Amino acid sequence: GDSVTQMEGPVTLSEEAFLTINCTYTATGYPSLFWYVQYPGEGLQLLLKATKADDKGSNKGFEATYRKETTSFHLEKGSVQVSDSAVYFCALSGDTGKLIFGQGTTLQVKP
Amino acid sequence: ETGVTQTPRHLVMGMTNKKSLKCEQHLGHNAMYWYKQSAKKPLELMFVYSLEERVENNSVPSRFSPECPNSSHLFLHLHTLQPEDSALYLCASSQDRSRVYEQYFGPGTRLTVT
Repeated sequence: GDSVTQMEGPVTLSEEAFLTINCTYTATGYPSLFWYVQYPGEGLQLLLKATKADDKGSNKGFEATYRKETTSFHLEKGSVQVSDSAVYFCALSGDTGKLIFGQGTTLQVKP
Repeated sequence: ETGVTQTPRHLVMGMTNKKSLKCEQHLGHNAMYWYKQSAKKPLELMFVYSLEERVENNSVPSRFSPECPNSSHLFLHLHTLQPEDSALYLCASSQDRSRVYEQYFGPGTRLTVT
């Protein structure tokens, strides 16, 4: 079945460092790919999405490119802030429309 | 109110109690979802409703009973829960169940079963 694998956390960075959170997927067909973020005590918020190969999703300085050849959707940001500390979830939606989530990666940014 | 709202935000209940969680979406969406988020586990999809009809039930125990009276409201009725049911319960909605539409999540209800 469809699945999503994220890098283990927590990821701890200093402010203004470069961020990469790896995400790979397994799916039949042509899924849509998403990154969601969860701040402490809150629900999940959509960060960005891509619906077809080579699409780049971007929002708030975060970017991810849909790479079908490597079945990946890695999240990147050039300069993280303390306010980016949160849990990040990679997810895919396939032919059934069901969202399949990775296990989440905790990001801690220190001043 | 905008987006997806959930009430209550926190709930403590005994194993013999009956309670209900409420979700309301103000987005005009046609699909609604219940998820369970436990520590150290991926999000678990519990139920899916499309146009007020239940289209998916992921082997959820019968002590959880969903209800969708209209396209804007979704309830999760709880009875005789177990301590392992303690978790964050998230509601979400989407335009429809097509893969291209993202889901919008509420803030969740933190449930503690004592």
